Amino acid sequence: QQQVKQSPQSLIVQKGGISIINCAYENTAFDYFPWYQQFPGKGPALLIAIRPDVSEKKEGRFTISFNKSAKQFSLHIMDSQPGDSATYFCAASIEGYQKVTFGIGTKLQVIP
Amino acid sequence: KAGVTQTPRYLIKTRGQQVTLSCSPISGHRSVSWYQQTPGQGLQFLFEYFSETQRNKGNFPGRFSGRQFSNSRSEMNVSTLELGDSALYLCASKEQGDDPYANEQFFGPGTRLTVL
Repeated sequence: QQQVKQSPQSLIVQKGGISIINCAYENTAFDYFPWYQQFPGKGPALLIAIRPDVSEKKEGRFTISFNKSAKQFSLHIMDSQPGDSATYFCAASIEGYQKVTFGIGTKLQVIP
Repeated sequence: KAGVTQTPRYLIKTRGQQVTLSCSPISGHRSVSWYQQTPGQGLQFLFEYFSETQRNKGNFPGRFSGRQFSNSRSEMNVSTLELGDSALYLCASKEQGDDPYANEQFFGPGTRLTVL
């Protein structure tokens, strides 16, 4: 049973466009929602994270939107660049980085 | 500081064999977690070790086991390998400070295990 559902599994976006990845969770005990970026041959690296008392968090071109009542959250990448091509994982956990539950991943390809 | 290192990076085994993977955490990090990454399931949590004790465990069969040494280095063992065990095995380490939300976990590059 996938506790964190992520979509789409693959995404192709033109350079300069907006990439949007959506996630939904079931466990209302989750209180921390990090996003990870993974390049081929590397482990995932933390990109940005949000707690449910905040509806939006922005870091540069990356924005997390959080809807607690719908139990959904999403990652928006503005002005997408070819260097953003990677696999993105949403995740959820209880009490920070304890036993993090990951989504299935989204492979993003940004084409010139 | 050096990052999380994992050895070996690639491994090929046959069904029925066993395998041991190694992880050296970032210096000063005492918590080590292991994850299995496959295309169909994403990253799945295996277990976490802290101060040589297993603190959390995911939903994997008993064929998957681990341990942690006094220097925080960790090993993961898979016995009686099955074809479905082919995956990228990732190790992540983190500090154990007072604020759990600040204890970011850092991943190693993984060990790619292929079971034939």
